[in-house]
Amino acid sequence: AQSVTQPDIHITVSEGASLELRCNYSYGATPYLFWYVQSPGQGLQLLLKYFSGDTLVQGIKGFEAEFKRSQSSFNLRKPSVHWSDAAEYFCAVAPTSGTYKYIFGTGTRLKVLA
Amino acid sequence: DTAVSQTPKYLVTQMGNDKSIKCEQNLGHDTMYWYKQDSKKFLKIMFSYNNKELIINETVPNRFSPKSPDKAHLNLHINSLELGDSAVYFCASSQGLATITDTQYFGPGTRLTVL
Repeated sequence: AQSVTQPDIHITVSEGASLELRCNYSYGATPYLFWYVQSPGQGLQLLLKYFSGDTLVQGIKGFEAEFKRSQSSFNLRKPSVHWSDAAEYFCAVAPTSGTYKYIFGTGTRLKVLA
Repeated sequence: DTAVSQTPKYLVTQMGNDKSIKCEQNLGHDTMYWYKQDSKKFLKIMFSYNNKELIINETVPNRFSPKSPDKAHLNLHINSLELGDSAVYFCASSQGLATITDTQYFGPGTRLTVL
């Protein structure tokens, strides 16, 4: 069955520290991959997406993600976390053809310590 | 200048009632969506409309009826509310016909609590 797993429900980091949020997927073929962020009281905002090509993808707000086909992973990283990065982060996959239907992970809540 | 807006933000109601959630987008997009996020944060698509035409209809009870009066609005009406309907409902929109390359823009969500 198609699924997205975000193993870490909560992560706490200090401001200025590096961050890595994990995402693994189970899919019949390599899907399109996305990371969204949900700030408190806000809707989801797209951080970055991977369709093809370079497996290291740059996104907004200084985030990047690396697609590793052999590990079925698409981990999100940021070299130096800011307090404003505290939010919920969702990984999602979608098929490469047909109607555009996301499958979302259950999210990772990031807390940033001052 | 909110891109995708939803009303109300919070909705508390009794079992058996009928309620509606409204969504509006001012992005000029052609496609709109409804998602349900349950208590475990699992987010799943329910419906999608393109230019007022239903294009995605997942396995959703027929108590849920989306209505799109124009392409800028997609409302969700729920009949005979049940406890299991308690969730956060997100509206989203995208430029094209729900194709893979179109970024979806989400509203802030409506938290529905059924007592």
